[in-house]
Parts: sequence; C-alpha cells; structure tokens
Amino acid sequence: EAGVVQSPRYKIIEKKQPVAFWCNPISGHNTLYWYRQNLGQGPELLIRYENEEAVDDSQLPKDRFSAERLKGVDSTLKIQPAELGDSAVYLCASSRQGANYGYTFGSGTRLTVV
Amino acid sequence: KQEVTQIPAALSVPEGENLVLNCSFTDSAIYNLQWFRQDPGKGLTSLLLIQSSQREQTSGRLNASLDKSSGRSTLYIAASQPGDSATYLCAVRGTSGGSYIPTFGRGTSLIVHP
Repeated sequence: EAGVVQSPRYKIIEKKQPVAFWCNPISGHNTLYWYRQNLGQGPELLIRYENEEAVDDSQLPKDRFSAERLKGVDSTLKIQPAELGDSAVYLCASSRQGANYGYTFGSGTRLTVV
Repeated sequence: KQEVTQIPAALSVPEGENLVLNCSFTDSAIYNLQWFRQDPGKGLTSLLLIQSSQREQTSGRLNASLDKSSGRSTLYIAASQPGDSATYLCAVRGTSGGSYIPTFGRGTSLIVHP
C-alpha cells in the first residue's frame, strides 16, 4: 500500500508570508494527524481529524494556523502569516479509526522562516 | 496530562553491542505504545506497536516490552549495527476526555560506530 504522502518536502519563506502543507493519508485511514517537530524534540500534536471532523485541536495556534480535511481524505495545513518561531518539521500521520491501531507517518515538510 | 520521558537522550556504542532504550510515561491509562525510528531529515518509521494487554513484541533484532502498571517500556536492540544509527521515539496513546491523545517522548539519539 502507498504510504502517507506529504508535500512539499522543503519550504523556505520570509516571515509574514503564508504557507500551506498538503497531506494524503493511506487509503482507508479515517484518522489524520498533523504534528510539529522542533529540532531535538518529539512531535507535538497540532490537530487530529476523524474523517472530516477536526477534534483535539487545542494545541493549534488558531490565530495564524488553520487546517481542513475536505471529504475526509486529503488535508491541508496553513500558516498565515508565518513567524520565525514556526520553523520546524510538520509531520502528517494517519491511522485506522479506533484506539488499537498504530500510526503511519509521512516524510514531513521542513519549513524555514527567514 | 500524559508525559513521556526517554532515557538516555543520546547513546554511542561500538558495533555488536546489545542495547536497551527506555521510555517511561506518567499515566498508565493507555491503549498502546509504539516505537518509531527517525533518520535525520526524514519522517518516522514504525518499528513495533504494543497493545496495553500485551507484554512484548518482537521484530527481527528488536524486542519491545511494556509494563503498563509501572509506566515503562524498553526497546531492546540485539547485535547493533551502524545502520541502526537513528533517533528512536516512543509514542503513547492514552485517553483524555474520551479521545485518543498520542504523546511522544523526545527520543534517544543512537550512534553505532564500526
């Protein structure tokens, strides 16, 4: 089966500019996660989707971050405007619905804000 | 709030040694624990998934154990090889308000030198 696909792999933008990341989960995986990983840290959950419904978004900075998962498949994470502190790796993961399943991660998008 | 700690933070060993990586968590009300490997600049690759009802899982030279009551898991790597060099992360899927909150440790950075 195809894995979790993320794009772009790398992105360099100036501060105050907008940026968007895209994720295509594994077919049949109803649950989708967006994580942010800073250098030397573990991933931190930004938002979790169950199908097209956003849940567990308490760590998402809603003043500048937004996410959507139309039709419960692909998802987009947007930052507008970007700040220097947003530089990190943004990881997307998916899993089957339910507590007993593990996660599959994409390769991530490395964002550098200059 | 679930907290996950991984010890040691970094480890450098000669090829051929048997290794133990540790993961501890503060809330024992978990569904499962998953070990991942992360190569530099890459996403996370799943190694082993242990359900809360299980004591251990094995895959090749890897063995992961889980002691839910004491909030501990260990990843045992037998006969380490230079190709095992990577960061190893554990993720705990617990419960919070009825949802499945995955929490990561910061990882153990492993270097196996020839």
